[in-house]
Amino acid sequence: DIQMTQSPSTLSASVGDRVTITCRASRGVSRWVAWYQQKPGKAPKLLIYKASNLERGVPSRFSGSESGTEFTLTINNLQPDDSATYFCQLYDSFWTFGQGTKVEIK
Amino acid sequence: QAQLLQSAAEVKEPGASVRVSCKASGYTFTDYGFAWVRQAPGQGLEWLGWISTYNTYTVYAPKFQGRVTMTTDTSTTTVYMELRSLRSDDTGMYYCAKDRAPRRLDCFDVWGQGTMVTVSS
Repeated sequence: DIQMTQSPSTLSASVGDRVTITCRASRGVSRWVAWYQQKPGKAPKLLIYKASNLERGVPSRFSGSESGTEFTLTINNLQPDDSATYFCQLYDSFWTFGQGTKVEIK
Repeated sequence: QAQLLQSAAEVKEPGASVRVSCKASGYTFTDYGFAWVRQAPGQGLEWLGWISTYNTYTVYAPKFQGRVTMTTDTSTTTVYMELRSLRSDDTGMYYCAKDRAPRRLDCFDVWGQGTMVTVSS
């Protein structure tokens, strides 16, 4: 099975900062990677699909990219509302989630 | 717009089975598949399986193969997930989620509100 290793597990940043979260696949994969945001007590929300495509209605400060087996979620101009846990997801023949990254606002 | 409404919370004893429902509305039900994802308290997301509402084809995560069954009822636009032989570590929030793209395995653009399943004697 392909594993998705997500890092860091937590990060703390200030409003206006740029933050990056990374998922590394255990072997070569297609671009079928998505990113979700989850707030406490809520279901996950889709942000990015197919590695770099912004879901409708998601602010443009969120972006996704890929380089080989590494996939990155970038949040530009961090806002207080971005305080949440973020998960990557590989969707191929199976679905695999990363371990999650909790983003805290300083 | 698409909405998914899940059944109420459940409390089960170890060894029992639980059936969670997920009613879809606001779109053509048979165009999009469904997945079930669970989350233990304070933990990450875990995929249980996927079902096509078009032809009822299922894919189950190896960890749950033999213990989980997913079904659909097109007449009521509802999908079901049954988990058997429950253990205490099955306690968690169970979500249904709809595929983003039609007629293919995909990521999930709409999620249910979650159903809390508690396994305790």
